[in-house]
Amino acid sequence: SQLAEENPWALSVHEGESVTVNCSYKTSITALQWYRQKSGEGPAQLILIRSNEREKRNGRLRATLDTSSQSSSLSITATRCEDTAVYFCDSSSGSWQLIFGSGTQLTVMP
Amino acid sequence: EAAVTQSPRNKVAVTGGKVTLSCNQTNNHNNMYWYRQDTGHGLRLIHYSYGAGSTEKGDIPDGYKASRPSQENFSLILELATPSQTSVYFCASGDEGLGGSSQNTLYFGAGTRLSVL
Repeated sequence: SQLAEENPWALSVHEGESVTVNCSYKTSITALQWYRQKSGEGPAQLILIRSNEREKRNGRLRATLDTSSQSSSLSITATRCEDTAVYFCDSSSGSWQLIFGSGTQLTVMP
Repeated sequence: EAAVTQSPRNKVAVTGGKVTLSCNQTNNHNNMYWYRQDTGHGLRLIHYSYGAGSTEKGDIPDGYKASRPSQENFSLILELATPSQTSVYFCASGDEGLGGSSQNTLYFGAGTRLSVL
């Protein structure tokens, strides 16, 4: 029951460049979260954006939300090697379960 | 900082054996979860709990049991392990969301890598 999907499947950029990961979801939401998972670690929340918000920032991260097209994006500016990770989005269905898609693998090269 | 600790970090088991994965959280969260992560499938929910004494089935519960003896501890039990259960398992705890929203922010452990031979 995949309620959200990230795309593209993989991205590669050089340090200092900006990058955007996209997410499409299938249900009405109360909020959408972006998570990051580095190799060998569990996922960690990056940003939570509520359905009445269009944009949310957290340092070098910027998330947008378009409820009409049921899509979200996560942009990272001035990327660093330590941003290399898999990025997931979660679309709240109103329950307290969390359901991830398969994620986007971001590689930041020196 | 939220803290979720899983043990063991790595486990090799034999087919048909019993495996218990343990999780401890110091966040005083009501909700706890067990996921498995496999290439091409992302994270899939196995069992979850909304308090001590409760366990609920997630999306893929077959072959797994869960136990929540206390607020802090949540275990995943494989009574008869099979090679198809070779995976990385993550435990997470969560609060009820902020500002009245049902959105649930999760805090994950570092994972347990299980190989069933």
